Amino acid sequence: GQSLEQPSEVTAVEGAIVQINCTYQTSGFYGLSWYQQHDGGAPTFLSYNALDGLEETGRFSSFLSRSDSYGYLLLQELQMKDSASYFCAVRDRGASWGKLQFGAGTQVVVTP
Amino acid sequence: SAVISQKPSRDICQRGTSLTIQCQVDSQVTMMFWYRQQPGQSLTLIATANQGSEATYESGFVIDKFPISRPNLTFSTLTVSNMSPEDSSIYLCSVELAGVFGGELFFGEGSRLTVL
Repeated sequence: GQSLEQPSEVTAVEGAIVQINCTYQTSGFYGLSWYQQHDGGAPTFLSYNALDGLEETGRFSSFLSRSDSYGYLLLQELQMKDSASYFCAVRDRGASWGKLQFGAGTQVVVTP
Repeated sequence: SAVISQKPSRDICQRGTSLTIQCQVDSQVTMMFWYRQQPGQSLTLIATANQGSEATYESGFVIDKFPISRPNLTFSTLTVSNMSPEDSSIYLCSVELAGVFGGELFFGEGSRLTVL
């Protein structure tokens, strides 16, 4: 089976940097994805890591260490609009892209 | 990208009734996925819907409770049958696009069901 662990909530001020960690256990790991979901909205894709290292997309970066079964999402220059839930998700090797196992989610609260 | 429309966006239902949720995609897709998100919780895959074949259900979900139709490459329905308050959730339709790499799923806005 699969399991993912991420913190339940993180609070930070505008302009700060937040790191959301995700550790996972899977039977056959393929890649780690991150999704953002605003309250009442649909989850939207942020990033995907299949290989070790850092992927940067604007203010958001994602990191993966396959040997440590660990990844993180880094949110820089926090803005109020970044207040949302962030989910890490894994796809097992051989599974279709859409068959993801999601973590419980991290609620990020950005304060003025 | 893909634009996914779901109906209804929300509904209040009585215990024991059934409700069908519709999902329309603006492009042809091979696979469609139905997820459930209980209040304040994570997303759980219910089933994978392929056109022309029966849906594939995940552990804990059965066809009698969540029958799915997939009549063509742009449309699917999920029925929540014989509802109980425990079925109060957001039901999300999602798609993968052929040729897209990176594990990217596109989600509809969801159908928020409250069962009384």
